[in-house]
Amino acid sequence: EAGVAQSPRYKIIEKRQSVAFWCNPISGHATLYWYQQILGQGPKLLIQFQNNGVVDDSQLPKDRFSAERLKGVDSTLKIQPAKLEDSAVYLCASSSPRDRSDNEQFFGPGTRLTVL
Amino acid sequence: SQQGEEDPQALSIQEGENATMNCSYKTSINNLQWYRQNSGRGLVHLILIRSNEREKHSGRLRVTLDTSKKSSSLLITASRAADTASYFCATDAAQKLVFGQGTRLTINP
Repeated sequence: EAGVAQSPRYKIIEKRQSVAFWCNPISGHATLYWYQQILGQGPKLLIQFQNNGVVDDSQLPKDRFSAERLKGVDSTLKIQPAKLEDSAVYLCASSSPRDRSDNEQFFGPGTRLTVL
Repeated sequence: SQQGEEDPQALSIQEGENATMNCSYKTSINNLQWYRQNSGRGLVHLILIRSNEREKHSGRLRVTLDTSKKSSSLLITASRAADTASYFCATDAAQKLVFGQGTRLTINP
């Protein structure tokens, strides 16, 4: 079974530029997550999709971040314009929980973003 | 906000020794999960323990959960160099994971 795919793996941009990340979840996984992981910290949830609908985007800085999941499969996360504090690893994860007590998530390798 | 708090923040032991990491949390949960992250990589799911379970084993891993104290521990027995990584606990309430800051484990040969 193929894992969660993400691209690019690394990206360096200057502040005020825009950037986009792509994620392809495990086939059949209805739930997709984007996390931001700042160096030395645990991942922080940015947005959660169920199929192509947003379940939770309460921690997404909507003035500069946007995400979409067209057709309920692939997803893109965009930052425009980027700030220095956006430097982090952006992780995509997917899951297909059997019930409410089971939410094992499968993570992609992440995209390391450096904003100069 | 991060609900889980791991202790210690960093742990360094000799190969073959056991490593214990602790996690405390604040609110009611459906389950608690442990993940491993090697340097520069994504997270790998290790084990999930449900709120009605007290102990779970998987290979060299043993996880305990005390819901009355809102705490969990992860024990890795007979550590190996390949166990060097960061370990995160994540609490699941309402189908959303909240991660702690992690414990950085170093296994010395």
